[in-house]
Amino acid sequence: EPEVTQTPSHQVTQMGQEVILRCVPISNHLYFYWYRQILGQKVEFLVSFYNNEISEKSEIFDDQFSVERPDGSNFTLKIRSTKLEDSAMYFCASSVSRGARGAFFGQGTRLTVV
Amino acid sequence: DAKTTQPTSMDCAEGRAANLPCNHSTISGNEYVYWYRQIHSQGPQYIIHGLKNNETNEMASLIITEDRKSSTLILPHATLRDTAVYYCIVRRNTGANSKLTFGKGITLSVRP
Repeated sequence: EPEVTQTPSHQVTQMGQEVILRCVPISNHLYFYWYRQILGQKVEFLVSFYNNEISEKSEIFDDQFSVERPDGSNFTLKIRSTKLEDSAMYFCASSVSRGARGAFFGQGTRLTVV
Repeated sequence: DAKTTQPTSMDCAEGRAANLPCNHSTISGNEYVYWYRQIHSQGPQYIIHGLKNNETNEMASLIITEDRKSSTLILPHATLRDTAVYYCIVRRNTGANSKLTFGKGITLSVRP
């Protein structure tokens, strides 16, 4: 079965540094998402992206965050100046449409800010 | 999206059916019931979804009550690998809102 691929699997960064989390969605999918999960807490929606623009974002997704689809295959999440509280698992997801089978999730990138 | 209520945890014996309940009493007519699971901090995995008819796929069955206020996810022959957190999510499939809102889910423990 096709899958969503995320790299790296684990990233450690110093507070204040910029990080870019990378995702390769499933090739024929049109909708792309980022979610995060702080250790022991719920999975939280960050942003959805369709037709090369953000279609929805949560309150968490402030000016420190940005997303980009730089080419036909990658989908990235950038955190400009990381804070300790950004430490979490970040999950990328993609879907063919808003409904259908729902979104396919990657295995996540564990971001640790020290 | 309507709110869902699930028990915190349950367990079942390996090889037996696991029946995971979910209440969604405020569901509206155009909202679907989705089930996802998350195995030990891996990415959430889609299981099944439905509107009002019962649904079955290779992973599970979804039984939705006639009034749509509750549903049950059935894993017919649970294995140890089915130990996970299972999320019941209610969501519209149209409009600008396409996000999934995860709650705390129900932790299913399958015992040998």
